[in-house]
Amino acid sequence: NAGVIQTPRHKVTGKGQEATLWCEPISGHSAVFWYRQTIVQGLEFLTYFRNQAPIDDSGMPKERFSAQMPNQSHSTLKIQSTQPQDSAVYLCASSPHGGRNSDYTFGSGTRLLVI
Amino acid sequence: AQKVTQTQTSISVMEKTTVTMDCVYETRDSSYFLFWYKQTASGEIVFLIRQDSYKKENATEGHYSLNFQKPKSSIGLIITATQIEDSAVYFCAMRENTEGADRLTFGKGTQLIIQP
Repeated sequence: NAGVIQTPRHKVTGKGQEATLWCEPISGHSAVFWYRQTIVQGLEFLTYFRNQAPIDDSGMPKERFSAQMPNQSHSTLKIQSTQPQDSAVYLCASSPHGGRNSDYTFGSGTRLLVI
Repeated sequence: AQKVTQTQTSISVMEKTTVTMDCVYETRDSSYFLFWYKQTASGEIVFLIRQDSYKKENATEGHYSLNFQKPKSSIGLIITATQIEDSAVYFCAMRENTEGADRLTFGKGTQLIIQP
């Protein structure tokens, strides 16, 4: 079990460019979550999929952020027209099916720097 | 809306002692789950221990235990016999048991420093 895999580990983009972040959840986990971590805001929920279907994207900045889960083995978070305030560590986590008492397994994160 | 508050920004203790980290939460739900996670210097976030709100017994896991005081909406983490490698940031989190509400809400974290 390789755990939750996130790629790339680090990404530097110029202001206005697009950034795509990848996540491979643990096999058999049906819930996939994206979080963003900054010093000021801490860990912020972005979006959540269950069985590949988008369930809750209430934490996503609506205009430039989008997330997809085209199959059970990966999810992507896309940020269009990146801005310096998007700089953060983006974390993906997965959790077993139906288990609100189940813990998350987090990936190592993608550190995004927008310059 | 859920809210999780960790008021201790940083704690420093000597190795092999016991430390308690505080956490209070707000929820309108009658059933919920409380978690503690640890983030190491490398950035890795690791699950430590969970408390189900309907259970009266405090959860324990190795040298981690919880002090769950439901009337006070409080879930403290107790680490006994601390070791240098326990130095990390500790996050308290809550997960509601409401259909469709399946996110973890995190506190801002407490940095724990274990001194030799």
